[in-house]
Amino acid sequence: GDSVTQMEGPVTLSEEAFLTINCTYTATGYPSLFWYVQYPGEGLQLLLKATKADDKGSNKGFEATYRKETTSFHLEKGSVQVSDSAVYFCALSDLGQAGTALIFGKGTTLSVSS
Amino acid sequence: DAGVTQSPTHLIKTRGQQVTLRCSPISGHKSVSWYQQVLGQGPQFIFQYYEKEERGRGNFPDRFSARQFPNYSSELNVNALLLGDSALYLCASSPQYETVNYVGRFGPGTRLTVL
Repeated sequence: GDSVTQMEGPVTLSEEAFLTINCTYTATGYPSLFWYVQYPGEGLQLLLKATKADDKGSNKGFEATYRKETTSFHLEKGSVQVSDSAVYFCALSDLGQAGTALIFGKGTTLSVSS
Repeated sequence: DAGVTQSPTHLIKTRGQQVTLRCSPISGHKSVSWYQQVLGQGPQFIFQYYEKEERGRGNFPDRFSARQFPNYSSELNVNALLLGDSALYLCASSPQYETVNYVGRFGPGTRLTVL
């Protein structure tokens, strides 16, 4: 079945450092890909998305490009801030028997220090 | 908008008991999905409902059931609670069923602890 694999954390960075969180996926169809963020004690928020190959999603300085050839959707940010500390989830959505269920990775914890 | 609301915020139950969690979607949204997030893991899909009908089910035992009401709110029921049911239960709403290009908005979740 469809699945998402993302790099394990925690990822610890200093403020203004460059961030990469790797995400690869397995899907039988043509999924849409997403990054969600979960701040401490809060629910999930959509960070960015891409719905077809070579699309680039971007939001709040974060970017990710849908790479069909490498089945990847890596999250990047050029200069992280302390306020970016959170758990980041890569996810895919593929119409199928389970409707439009989102399939999530296990999450990567990012901790940014000043 | 008011966003997705869930109640209660926290809940403590003992093994073998039954629990009902509630979700109110964003006004105008007709589809509700439920997810279970165990501590340290990503959310796992439980159910999707659209227009009061079940449209998708994840790999969960029959102890889990749900329904959607005419006002599109939804309840998730879990019977015969096990310790492993302790988790954050998330509800997401979206305008319609086929929403590959539109992702649901998530509520803050209900934290269930089973002792």
